[in-house]
Amino acid sequence: GQQLNQSPQSMFIQEGEDVSMNCTSSSIFNTWLWYKQDPGEGPVLLIALYKAGELTSNGRLTAQFGITRKDSFLNISASIPSDVGIYFCAGQPRVTGTASKLTFGTGTRLQVTL
Amino acid sequence: GAVVSQHPSRVICKSGTSVKIECRSLDFQATTMFWYRQFPKQSLMLMATSNEGSKATYEQGVEKDKFLINHASLTLSTLTVTSAHPEDSSFYICSGAGGPNNEQFFGPGTRLTVL
Repeated sequence: GQQLNQSPQSMFIQEGEDVSMNCTSSSIFNTWLWYKQDPGEGPVLLIALYKAGELTSNGRLTAQFGITRKDSFLNISASIPSDVGIYFCAGQPRVTGTASKLTFGTGTRLQVTL
Repeated sequence: GAVVSQHPSRVICKSGTSVKIECRSLDFQATTMFWYRQFPKQSLMLMATSNEGSKATYEQGVEKDKFLINHASLTLSTLTVTSAHPEDSSFYICSGAGGPNNEQFFGPGTRLTVL
């Protein structure tokens, strides 16, 4: 199945540093989502973006929905040890009506060192 | 956020046996539930979309006779892996869609190991 291109694949950063990751697609999405997955658990939604150009924050996390609707980025400021995990972007073709399927990115594995 | 549970959380079975995994939306009604499979160090791959009261829609390459999906109520969907083989060993995750934006809420996953 289709996957979105996500980069970087992995990151090793020091506590307190800022982190940036992005996601690109060959097709347009009407919704972009960012999830975090801890080992052995299901993904948890961090931020949802519903409008092209939208910039949304959730605490230390900021995400933007690209103007072309084919990309999105996620920034984490002042990283802490509990930010460790795998971050996935996901695109969804439409917002309303019946639920539509998600296409997930390849994931970014984040390691935070003290 | 809404809560989705999965049972069992992990299962080990012998090759050739069938395994049933339950996915429940605990505090909302999920008209649509999705089943994903995740191999180690890989992303989630959608297997099928399940709408309550109708047949599931399977993604290309997913055998519908091997992965039986039943969505009999708005709070329960089941995935049965029939005649499981070691290559079916994976992390199976479900999600239920609900709310005004049909947001997907994910279950905690089921680790299947086929010996």
